Amino acid sequence: NAGVTQTPKFQVLKTGQSMTLQCAQDMNHEYMSWYRQDPGMGLRLIHYSVGAGITDQGEVPNGYNVSRSTTEDFPLRLLSAAPSQTSVYFCASSPGTDYEQYFGPGTRLTVT
Amino acid sequence: GENVEQHPSTLSVQEGDSAVIKCTYSDSASNYFPWYKQELGKRPQLIIDIRSNVGEKKDQRIAVTLNKTAKHFSLHITETQPEDSAVYFCAAFLPGGDYKLSFGAGTTVTVRA
Repeated sequence: NAGVTQTPKFQVLKTGQSMTLQCAQDMNHEYMSWYRQDPGMGLRLIHYSVGAGITDQGEVPNGYNVSRSTTEDFPLRLLSAAPSQTSVYFCASSPGTDYEQYFGPGTRLTVT
Repeated sequence: GENVEQHPSTLSVQEGDSAVIKCTYSDSASNYFPWYKQELGKRPQLIIDIRSNVGEKKDQRIAVTLNKTAKHFSLHITETQPEDSAVYFCAAFLPGGDYKLSFGAGTTVTVRA
């Protein structure tokens, strides 16, 4: 199993550009989520999904959209990039609400 | 929602000594408390977790204790080794419909040789 994969690993955007961060898992997990990690602020939940077709907002959802058309994929879309979105983004999947979360390798995003 | 506070933010220990990280949570209904370790440039990985029906759990040199009355839980690492140097995150899960795992801000542990 590949586990949780994310692409790209690095990305530089200009302010106002849009892009999609890809996330996929091959463990048949129902629950998937996106976090951003900033220095001194831990991991903050952006959006999450409890199954295909179901998504909900986390702690910091503004400026991001998600969709979950399949169990495997959970892409994160930045609508109009801003410097405040410079961060490391982690996707995670889990077999249940209160079980181990398996994180992807992360995407380091810089917005100039 | 749940609010998790983690202390200290940095911790330096001599190799062989013990390290203790403490977290407090705000909602007494939280029932699942995992700890994640993140090495430099790597993804967070679960090292130990505890549920609210248990007071303590051990796994070799790592242990977690939970005090539900005081709403705090702690990670204990004994006989620290250089490979224990990493950022450690605590988290608390609040049930009730939303899938919300709230993380602490992290503790950077440095083990001095």
